[in-house]
Amino acid sequence: RKEVEQDPGPFNVPEGATVAFNCTYSNSASQSFFWYRQDCRKEPKLLMSVYSSGNEDGRFTAQLNRASQYISLLIRDSKLSDSATYLCVVYNQGGKLIFGQGTELSVKP
Amino acid sequence: DGGITQSPKYLFRKEGQNVTLSCEQNLNHDAMYWYRQDPGQGLRLIYYSQIVNDFQKGDIAEGYSVSREKKESFPLTVTSAQKNPTAFYLCASSEWGSQETQYFGPGTRLLVL
Repeated sequence: RKEVEQDPGPFNVPEGATVAFNCTYSNSASQSFFWYRQDCRKEPKLLMSVYSSGNEDGRFTAQLNRASQYISLLIRDSKLSDSATYLCVVYNQGGKLIFGQGTELSVKP
Repeated sequence: DGGITQSPKYLFRKEGQNVTLSCEQNLNHDAMYWYRQDPGQGLRLIYYSQIVNDFQKGDIAEGYSVSREKKESFPLTVTSAQKNPTAFYLCASSEWGSQETQYFGPGTRLLVL
């Protein structure tokens, strides 16, 4: 079993749609959680950290459920510019970032 | 501008050849990392270094070597022992004690001829 698993993609949605990505992690001792965005052939960039209380940044909302070892990302009012691959990332007690395989999002006009 | 640079952007390797990927940072970060990304997959850790003249193997170190002679530089050599080197290689750095916050370079795409 992979340490971090994400929804298989791709997600193809129209502009203005709401889309949700899910992620599960296997190590209950994991300490920190993140969503990264990666554009095609580019490096990953931090989108947002994820907290148990939930956090929002504009159209993006991230949630963490430690009991279920589950992380989510919700994107409201999708824009063409949101098209990218979204990586779920977990920081574990060994001091390493563990990356999910990514979920590709394609927003169409 | 502070940041991480990687060169070259594209690199071609012949069978049996060793090639070295460059990574330089001017962020004054203590820790540096090398990751490999294959299509449709997440990043996997190859090697990391928390301080000059010290480095540790990551999850997929076989066929790779590194050095850390200077704080700002962490080159990765892909040796002929790495039988499937075609991938996207990403270098990152972080402050010591803040390993969860890593800054990535633009990457090097390695292709085998």
